[in-house]
Amino acid sequence: GAVVSQHPSRVICKSGTSVKIECRSLDFQATTMFWYRQFPKKSLMLMATSNEGSKATYEQGVEKDKFLINHASLTLSTLTVTSAHPEDSSFYICSGTSGNTGELFFGEGSRLTVL
Amino acid sequence: DAKTTQPPSMDCAEGRAANLPCNHSTISGNEYVYWYRQIHSQGPQYIIHGLKNNETNEMASLIITEDRKSSTLILPHATLRDTAVYYCIVRIGTASKLTFGTGTRLQVTL
Repeated sequence: GAVVSQHPSRVICKSGTSVKIECRSLDFQATTMFWYRQFPKKSLMLMATSNEGSKATYEQGVEKDKFLINHASLTLSTLTVTSAHPEDSSFYICSGTSGNTGELFFGEGSRLTVL
Repeated sequence: DAKTTQPPSMDCAEGRAANLPCNHSTISGNEYVYWYRQIHSQGPQYIIHGLKNNETNEMASLIITEDRKSSTLILPHATLRDTAVYYCIVRIGTASKLTFGTGTRLQVTL
């Protein structure tokens, strides 16, 4: 199946710094990418939807100025957590779809720990 | 998207079939039933999806009732590596977002 790769898989940062997470579709063109967040023992919560070349659509309660999403190409989307705080520590997961088959392919996830 | 209801947890002996139920009584005609699973600390993995006919692939079978208000995911011969949280999701179309519920935690035991 199609592959979505995330980097870094783990990151530790100090409070107040910004962290960028990359999500790449390796063998398909992802016209739409989704970013999820997952707290321990909880389900995945959708943060935002991004279509290549346009602004992301954020879910209610997600601060667009704090979680900057860029989807400049059909194979790369980035999530930047700005001015990170300990409560932003979570497992961030991206997914992509080409829209053709209906399958949504997920990355391996990125675990962010903010000290 | 229609809401789904799944049991929070299930156990299954290795080698036996695991049957995971899902209720989606408010599903509409253009919504598909998708199944994903998530092994601890990994991204979700696609298993199977269907609209109204039963589906089978190398991983599992999906049985959808005639009224489409419920479905069952069948893992024919469960192994320890099938231990995961299984999510049943209904979704409009092929490019819309997936909204995850709480899923079923399947524990496969020796």
